[in-house]
Amino acid sequence: AQRVTQPEKLLSVFKGAPVELKCNYSYSGSPELFWYVQYSRQRLQLLLRHISRESIKGFTADLNKGETSFHLKKPFAQEEDSAMYYCALGGFNKFYFGSGTKLNVKP
Amino acid sequence: NAGVTQTPKFQVLKTGQSMTLQCAQDMNHNSMYWYRQDPGMGLRLIYYSASEGTTDKGEVPNGYNVSRLNKREFSLRLESAAPSQTSVYFCASSEARDPGEKLFFGSGTQLSVL
Repeated sequence: AQRVTQPEKLLSVFKGAPVELKCNYSYSGSPELFWYVQYSRQRLQLLLRHISRESIKGFTADLNKGETSFHLKKPFAQEEDSAMYYCALGGFNKFYFGSGTKLNVKP
Repeated sequence: NAGVTQTPKFQVLKTGQSMTLQCAQDMNHNSMYWYRQDPGMGLRLIYYSASEGTTDKGEVPNGYNVSRLNKREFSLRLESAAPSQTSVYFCASSEARDPGEKLFFGSGTQLSVL
């Protein structure tokens, strides 16, 4: 069965520190993976997707099929990165989301 | 640039009441979705519609019905609301031409069932 696990509910870091938000998945086929972000009082929006291998706002994520992980990383966190982050799996009408990690970047 | 529009933004219901959440998109997308967002549970798919005239169950369809009225509109109905349906509801759409297509979300409906 498809499943997305984000083990951390809350992650607090200081400004300038590295950030890693963990995401593990289980999927029987070849996965398409995404990170979505929800800033305060804004709607959910796509941050990045595995298929395009892009880097948005300094964030990157590498698909590790051996460890079934798609961790989100940023070398130097900024206060404006504070938000709720969701890892998602799938495509073609079936998207499965993790439970989310709230990132708090302290000044 | 309306994108995905949901109404209402807030709603309070009493147990047993019914209501319909409306969603419309102006991006000519084929697929539309309804999710609920609960603390610690993330987003869970209630129903989706791959194209006009078709609907399918998601992870948590019990207690809900949907209608894909046309390509633009996808409504979610609670026939007899229960406190367990207190949640934030999000509508989303996508072109769904390939698995890498992203979802576009509405701003959400905060529903409380007393």
